[in-house]
Amino acid sequence: AQKITQTQPGMFVQEKEAVTLDCTYDTSDPSYGLFWYKQPSSGEMIFLIYQGSYDQQNATEGRYSLNFQKARKSANLVISASQLGDSAMYFCAMRFSTGNQFYFGTGTSLTVIP
Amino acid sequence: NAGVMQNPRHLVRRRGQEARLRCSPMKGHSHVYWYRQLPEEGLKFMVYLQKENIIDESGMPKERFSAEFPKEGPSILRIQQVVRGDSAAYFCASSPLGEENTIYFGEGSWLTVV
Repeated sequence: AQKITQTQPGMFVQEKEAVTLDCTYDTSDPSYGLFWYKQPSSGEMIFLIYQGSYDQQNATEGRYSLNFQKARKSANLVISASQLGDSAMYFCAMRFSTGNQFYFGTGTSLTVIP
Repeated sequence: NAGVMQNPRHLVRRRGQEARLRCSPMKGHSHVYWYRQLPEEGLKFMVYLQKENIIDESGMPKERFSAEFPKEGPSILRIQQVVRGDSAAYFCASSPLGEENTIYFGEGSWLTVV
């Protein structure tokens, strides 16, 4: 069974500091994609970053980077230089090449402190 | 280029009534997905559709729920005889043909059953 685990229900970070949000997954499928989404209080789901299981380099998108450790089955999101607008729920998700659906973790609530 | 459009954003129904949620995918996208988010949880896959065709409905409850994506017009998620447990946020997402990792979510429809 596929499983995504986010062990941090809530995190706090000082403005302008970096923060790491944890995500681990469990699968025997060799081909998959890992995603992070941001859900602000307004509710929409905003795509942040994608990492393919065969990608050699960690994905980066502006202030977001994905610390992909395939052997450990982890795909942590690193947000650098946190801003007040980063306060939101963050969801890790996984999709397999053989399937149609995304599997989501339970989310981490990030609060940026001024 | 408009994003994925969902309406209504908020819907209140009494127990036993029907709820209809609509989703217009992004221009050029031929695949639509529906996800449900219960309070304090991540998104759970419900159904995956192409025009006039249900590809995967493995996440749909067996009764009262149905989805369609007609040749013309938006995709519709229909919930008949709603119960309190149906209260949730329902997200639609779309992707272009052949790019199933490029998935964009709508802003969600919040259903409240009273």
